[in-house]
Amino acid sequence: AQSVTQPDIHITVSEGASLELRCNYSYGATPYLFWYVQSPGQGLQLLLKYFSGDTLVQGIKGFEAEFKRSQSSFNLRKPSVHWSDAAEYFCAVGGGDDKIIFGKGTRLHILP
Amino acid sequence: EADIYQTPRYLVIGTGKKITLECSQTMGHDKMYWYQQDPGMELHLIHYSYGVNSTEKGDLSSESTVSRIRTEHFPLTLESARPSHTSQYLCASSELVERGEQFFGPGTRLTVL
Repeated sequence: AQSVTQPDIHITVSEGASLELRCNYSYGATPYLFWYVQSPGQGLQLLLKYFSGDTLVQGIKGFEAEFKRSQSSFNLRKPSVHWSDAAEYFCAVGGGDDKIIFGKGTRLHILP
Repeated sequence: EADIYQTPRYLVIGTGKKITLECSQTMGHDKMYWYQQDPGMELHLIHYSYGVNSTEKGDLSSESTVSRIRTEHFPLTLESARPSHTSQYLCASSELVERGEQFFGPGTRLTVL
């Protein structure tokens, strides 16, 4: 069965510091993977997605993620965070049935 | 501007009331979805639709029902609200293509007293 694990419930980084949010998935075939961001009281916005090809994916707002099949991971990175990046981040995995399974999310806090 | 809308954004209602959460999209998407999200938790799919007159139950059992009479409209109804229905409900839509990106509405936060 498909599953997504985001091991960090909360992450706190200083503004300007680099960021890495972890995501591990379980899926029997080649997955397609997403990172979404959710600001308080808002819906989800897609940051980036991986379907195939280059394993390093560029997204919006300066985010990138790397698909590592050997580690079943799809970690999200940003070289320098801004206070506006404070939000909840969800990793998600999908398969051939077009259903998407979401992780429990990582809440990012930014220190000034 | 193509978008996906949900109304109301916030709803506080008493036990036993019938409620309908509205979801509309102007992107012409065939697929639409309803997710339930408890605070600090992941999203769970409760209903989805592949087009007009198509509705399916999702992975999480829900007492709610949905209908899809028009492509752009996918309302969710609770016949008799209970405190256990308190949650955030998110609507999404996508194109009828394999691995289509899902676009999300802003959500409706429902509180049942």
